[in-house]
Amino acid sequence: DARVTQTPRHKVTEMGQEVTMRCQPILGHNTVFWYRQTMMQGLELLAYFRNRAPLDDSGMPKDRFSAEMPDATLATLKIQPSEPRDSAVYFCASGSVGSNEQFFGPGTRLTVL
Amino acid sequence: AQSVTQLDSQVPVFEEAPVELRCNYSSSVSVYLFWYVQYPNQGLQLLLKYLSGSTLVKGINGFEAEFNKSQTSFHLRKPSVHISDTAEYFCAVTKFSGGYNKLIFGAGTRLAVHP
Repeated sequence: DARVTQTPRHKVTEMGQEVTMRCQPILGHNTVFWYRQTMMQGLELLAYFRNRAPLDDSGMPKDRFSAEMPDATLATLKIQPSEPRDSAVYFCASGSVGSNEQFFGPGTRLTVL
Repeated sequence: AQSVTQLDSQVPVFEEAPVELRCNYSSSVSVYLFWYVQYPNQGLQLLLKYLSGSTLVKGINGFEAEFNKSQTSFHLRKPSVHISDTAEYFCAVTKFSGGYNKLIFGAGTRLAVHP
């Protein structure tokens, strides 16, 4: 059963701490998306990777957020330093170039105190 | 620019009643349209999609949607809902930007099915 996995599922941290969220895309998929979901803003696209290369990170605050794909099986989203306004659910989704369907992971619920 | 409007933030309905969740989009070019469902504490799951062809699209769990180009709508329907359909539903449209198709999501409609 191919699924996108994300760890951790929940994270509570204090302001100023570094947070790293991980995503394992579905094997064989070559596109990865990071989204943030909040009550106020809804679903926002943060970053898009194709074949591990970051093609669009225009939705991501550059001063504190960074996204990488060290290999085809791992995507990471890092926040340093974290702030209370970063509290949200962060979703990773994967897909294939040429297909418009995205498969979402279960999300990481981040709370920054 | 593409955008998506979901006209109802919440839709309460009784079990076994029909339901329609409304979605309108704005776009000057051809688009692909999607409906996703999000159950509590889970990620988004694709319900159905319109890429081309027949304007009536059938999806999982008995849902269907009709693409209406003249009204720029893509409303989601189910003839008889179950308690298990309680979830948040998101309409999305593709936007070609930066060399790829990105999904633009609506604000979501919370469907609450009551016994």
